[in-house]
Amino acid sequence: DQQVKQNSPSLSVQEGRISILNCDYTNSMFDYFLWYKKYPAEGPTFLISISSIKDKNEDGRFTVFLNKSAKHLSLHIVPSQPGDSAVYFCAATYSGGYQKVTFGTGTKLQVIP
Amino acid sequence: NAGVTQTPKFQVLKTGQSMTLQCAQDMNHNSMYWYRQDPGMGLRLIYYSASEGTTDKGEVPNGYNVSRLNKREFSLRLESAAPSQTSVYFCASSEGLEKNIQYFGAGTRLSVL
Repeated sequence: DQQVKQNSPSLSVQEGRISILNCDYTNSMFDYFLWYKKYPAEGPTFLISISSIKDKNEDGRFTVFLNKSAKHLSLHIVPSQPGDSAVYFCAATYSGGYQKVTFGTGTKLQVIP
Repeated sequence: NAGVTQTPKFQVLKTGQSMTLQCAQDMNHNSMYWYRQDPGMGLRLIYYSASEGTTDKGEVPNGYNVSRLNKREFSLRLESAAPSQTSVYFCASSEGLEKNIQYFGAGTRLSVL
């Protein structure tokens, strides 16, 4: 039972263009969502998060959008840079159970120079 | 800044052998976690420790034991390794507050033959 789904295993984008990574979830209890970025041979690093009381959170080139009714979130990277090439994990947790973070399967982003 | 340190980085075991994966953090975090990453499965929580002196099962605890030795250290033990435990193991830590942003180590790549 995959509660957090990233249906696109990979994505290729030209440098300078927008990258859009998608994530769907099924558990209505989730109220906090995070994106992590992972380079090969390294551990994931936190990128950006959003609470369910918001529908958008922005940090520089990275913006996360949350559509609660659709149980869908997306990560936008504008403009995309070659250094953004990595695996991106969507993750979700909930108040009262925040220790148990559920991760998606990841999307491998390749930004082509 | 060391952050989260995992040892060893690589290990090859024979079926039935035992070993302990070590993890230490220097961020004075309350909570620590062990995950495994398998192709197409994302990160799955094995065990976590919300605070010193407590441990709880995650999504895939079978075949593993953990010890929260002190606030800094959280070890993962495989008593009798099986080929199904071939994976990349990540340790993480967090302040343990809501929003639960986790900081990951670089991982241990384990092969069980």
